[in-house]
Amino acid sequence: SYELTQPPSVSVSPGQTARITCSGDALPKQYAYWYQQKPGQAPVLVIYKDSERPSGIPERFSGSSSGTTVTLTISGVQAEDEADYYCQSADSSGSYVFGTGTKVTVL
Amino acid sequence: QVTLRESGPALVKPTQTLTLTCTFSGFSLSTSGMCVSWVRQPPGKALEWLALIDWDDDKYYSTSLKTRLTISKDTSKNQVVLTMTNMDPVDTATYYCARMPGNLDAFDIWGQGTMVTVSS
Repeated sequence: SYELTQPPSVSVSPGQTARITCSGDALPKQYAYWYQQKPGQAPVLVIYKDSERPSGIPERFSGSSSGTTVTLTISGVQAEDEADYYCQSADSSGSYVFGTGTKVTVL
Repeated sequence: QVTLRESGPALVKPTQTLTLTCTFSGFSLSTSGMCVSWVRQPPGKALEWLALIDWDDDKYYSTSLKTRLTISKDTSKNQVVLTMTNMDPVDTATYYCARMPGNLDAFDIWGQGTMVTVSS
């Protein structure tokens, strides 16, 4: 089955930049989406179609794509950004898949 | 305001069938391009996509679980129902429903989730 691979954890100091990668063979052909999930809460969409930001999401969240890897970048990280982040995409059969998840720790 | 709310049993026994209902408001599943999906998350683990139904009643299932899942909708009641047969302790998870509008192709609004424990 199709898999999206993320690093288990990323640590960053306040004000610095966090980059979270997501790798998958179909990513050159399918859009990627990113979700933020804080403990005990439902996921929140932070990036759609590789690099678009929903209304209400701070500008410090951005997305990019290059080949089989997509990247979520959080610029000027704040304490409130500490959370789990999941990428998501689709395969050619109409199935959806989530990444393995990355825990972002703000030092 | 768009909201979704999951409901169903908190505890099921192994081999039983789980039935979950997603009741939503603020949008219509009759709108072209609109979809509702189910996603689950075992404790401490990653999100797992389960199933999706669209405005045209097309249905899509996780390849690994498709033999156990059925998704349906009742547009008049603003509800989407998921059934999962032959429940096992590994199916213990929080189950979420989420909206996917066609213009975003993303799960933009989620319910708060409902925790289901499978145990005898």
